[in-house]
Amino acid sequence: GDSVTQMEGPVTLSEEAFLTINCTYTATGYPSLFWYVQYPGEGLQLLLKATKADDKGSNKGFEATYRKETTSFHLEKGSVQVSDSAVYFCALSGDSNSGYALNFGKGTSLLVTP
Amino acid sequence: NAGVMQNPRHLVRRRGQEARLRCSPMKGHSHVYWYRQLPEEGLKFMVYLQKENIIDESGMPKERFSAEFPKEGPSILRIQQVVRGDSAAYFCASSPPARGNYGYTFGSGTRLTVV
Repeated sequence: GDSVTQMEGPVTLSEEAFLTINCTYTATGYPSLFWYVQYPGEGLQLLLKATKADDKGSNKGFEATYRKETTSFHLEKGSVQVSDSAVYFCALSGDSNSGYALNFGKGTSLLVTP
Repeated sequence: NAGVMQNPRHLVRRRGQEARLRCSPMKGHSHVYWYRQLPEEGLKFMVYLQKENIIDESGMPKERFSAEFPKEGPSILRIQQVVRGDSAAYFCASSPPARGNYGYTFGSGTRLTVV
């Protein structure tokens, strides 16, 4: 079945450092890919998404490119801030009748220090 | 515009009691999805409901768990005879009447602790 694997955390970075969180997926067909962010004590917020190969999703300085050849959707940010400290989840949804259900990775905790 | 409202935010139940989790979708959203987040895990899909209909409950445990979304009022996730393993964060999401994943909005979750 469909699945998502993302790098284990926690990731600790200094402010203004470059961020990469790896995400790879296994899916049949042509899934849509997402990054969600969860701040402490809150629900998940959609950070960015891509619906087809070579699409780049971007938001708030974060980017991720849908790479079908490597089945990856790595999250990057050029200069992180303390306020980016959160847990980041990679997710996919299928293109079949079950396209509404999201498959999530286990999450990667990011801590940015001043 | 209020977002997806879940209550209570925190719920403590003793083993064997019932837990009722409520979810009010965003205005204009008629599709509701429940997910469970176990400690150190990602979210797992449980059930997808539309008003008065369960569309997909493939992620629901076979026993003790049920969900409904009545014509009036919030969606309810009910867990009967709770056990320690039910301790988790339960998240509800809603979407407008279209293919769900593009319009998901999550609530802040209910954190259930079974003691």
